[in-house]
Formats: sequence, C-alpha cells, structure tokens
Amino acid sequence: EADIYQTPRYLVIGTGKKITLECSQTMGHDKMYWYQQDPGMELHLIHYSYGVNSTEKGDLSSESTVSRIRTEHFPLTLESARPSHTSQYLCASSESGDSNQPQHFGDGTRLSIL
Amino acid sequence: KNQVEQSPQSLIILEGKNCTLQCNYTVSPFSNLRWYKQDTGRGPVSLTIMTFSENTKSNGRYTATLDADTKQSSLHITASQLSDSASYICVVSDRGSTLGRLYFGRGTQLTVWP
Repeated sequence: EADIYQTPRYLVIGTGKKITLECSQTMGHDKMYWYQQDPGMELHLIHYSYGVNSTEKGDLSSESTVSRIRTEHFPLTLESARPSHTSQYLCASSESGDSNQPQHFGDGTRLSIL
Repeated sequence: KNQVEQSPQSLIILEGKNCTLQCNYTVSPFSNLRWYKQDTGRGPVSLTIMTFSENTKSNGRYTATLDADTKQSSLHITASQLSDSASYICVVSDRGSTLGRLYFGRGTQLTVWP
C-alpha cells in the first residue's frame, strides 16, 4: 500500500477564494506529480517536480501553482478559484532513475467551486 | 499524435466470469505500458508494467499481454469478483524525454454483478 496522502478529500467553496490542496508522501520519492481528472476522461498532467526546489508545468494549462520546499510535500494552490476549476485533483509520486517505476497515487481531492 | 484508446468504454459481467479489456496505442518511441485499477473515489493503483521485451505479465487474477508490433495490449481478468468493479486505465510511457511522459487512456468501466 502506497503512503501518499491528500487533503482535503472533498472541498466545496465559493468563487474567488484562495485554495491549497495538500499532498504528502512518506516514501522518500523525488518525483511528484499533480493530475486533473474529470468524469469519464483521461488524467491530464498539470504540474511535476523532480525534487526539492524543482517544479515544472505539465501538458494541461492550469492557473494553479505548486511548490516543493520539502521532499515529502507538494502542495497545489489556486489563488482565486473559479467554477472552471471544478474537478478531481490527483497527486502521485515515483522513484527516480528507472522510468519503469510505477506512480503511486493519492486518493484525490474532489473540488467544487460554486 | 500520441494516443491511447481503450475498449470497451464500459462492461458488465456476472461474478465468476472472465473478461478481457483492450488497449491500442500510437505512442512512439515506446518505453512501457501500464495497467492501473481505479476504484470509485480512489486514486489509481498499479496492476502491471510491461516493457518492450515483455509480452505477458500476471498479478494474481490479472494477466496483461503486450504486442509491441501491433501496438496492442489486453488485460484479462479471471474468475471476476465484486471487488473487481472499477475503472481500468491503460497508460503508455514514451522514451522521448527524461520525464518518461505518460499517455493515459480514458479507462474501461467494469461492473461485476452478483
């Protein structure tokens, strides 16, 4: 069982609020990722990190930002939430080196912006 | 264009029966192919990872096959159980970047009835 945790699991909040989605892993993985997933659709990579102080944007344009100050922590922030940000956000991590290593996913945060 | 297509989109089977899910991809250059199981409201969990040289891999009642020449993979589930009800996602990784970019299918939604 992978040790990667996301909080909150569910969040319903009004437009214009600042939101931070938390993601922590206890496996010491250097690589971490944020994905966005809508019902019935594929996962889209929005941010990734190779290690501390390393962050890159993914394939899907996102107004969110991320930070990687500690290896185990990779929070995602929306400065001003909009209804278009309503989605499920999944965090994942994997070991460095061999690209054949699996990604371990958290259980996601389901975000609803009113 | 690199793509991953899965079929069928959804499938209903009776408990105890076998089933096979299909995945076709156009990703090139190919690195590996992964099958994930995603329970409702949870993050994806890795079932199998196959590289170019592997044409079959098993994980309990799950057996994945890979034909790298035709760019097809299948996931066979034997003696299905109610707990197999989930979305099964095919993911292909390329060798074109350090990240080992992942291309996700939209998944096959499997429902097992008693």
